[in-house]
Amino acid sequence: AQSVTQLDSHVSVSEGTPVLLRCNYSSSYSPSLFWYVQHPNKGLQLLLKYTSAATLVKGINGFEAEFKKSETSFHLTKPSAHMSDAAEYFCVVSDTGFQKLVFGTGTRLLVSP
Amino acid sequence: EPEVTQTPSHQVTQMGQEVILRCVPISNHLYFYWYRQILGQKVEFLVSFYNNEISEKSEIFDDQFSVERPDGSNFTLKIRSTKLEDSAMYFCASSNTGGIDEQYFGPGTRLTVT
Repeated sequence: AQSVTQLDSHVSVSEGTPVLLRCNYSSSYSPSLFWYVQHPNKGLQLLLKYTSAATLVKGINGFEAEFKKSETSFHLTKPSAHMSDAAEYFCVVSDTGFQKLVFGTGTRLLVSP
Repeated sequence: EPEVTQTPSHQVTQMGQEVILRCVPISNHLYFYWYRQILGQKVEFLVSFYNNEISEKSEIFDDQFSVERPDGSNFTLKIRSTKLEDSAMYFCASSNTGGIDEQYFGPGTRLTVT
């Protein structure tokens, strides 16, 4: 069965410094991988998705993620954090052809001035 | 930009009561989903719905749960007899083509069972 592991429950950065949120996945098939963000009292918003095209995926708000099959990883990065990036981030996997999304436990990103 | 909407934003109910959570998916989408997130836990898949029938459901989605698309715009989740452990945030989502296509999520309904 497919699953994702988010290695950090909380990540704290200062504004203007790089962001790294780590995710490892397990999947029997060629996976589709997503990062979703959840701001307080808001729905889940898609940041980016990987669906077997380019391994480096660019998303909204300057985020990007690299699919590394050999490491079964899909880490999310951003060169320079902004205060508005403070939120909960979810790494998500969906096996090709299946509809359900399987969520990680989430990483809360804290950004300090 | 089109979005998924959910009502109510917060529902409080007594154990044993029936609740209906409502969702309006994006208008041209064909696949519909419910997920839930118990406080402090991960988001969990409940059910997917396509062409007026359930296409996949999780172990959580037992006989107490049902889904319906009563008209061309609404998608509902019914819990027949609520339990304390049903307290959670319930998210509706929709997608255009299913499979690897992006799912668009609503803001959620917080259900509190007392």
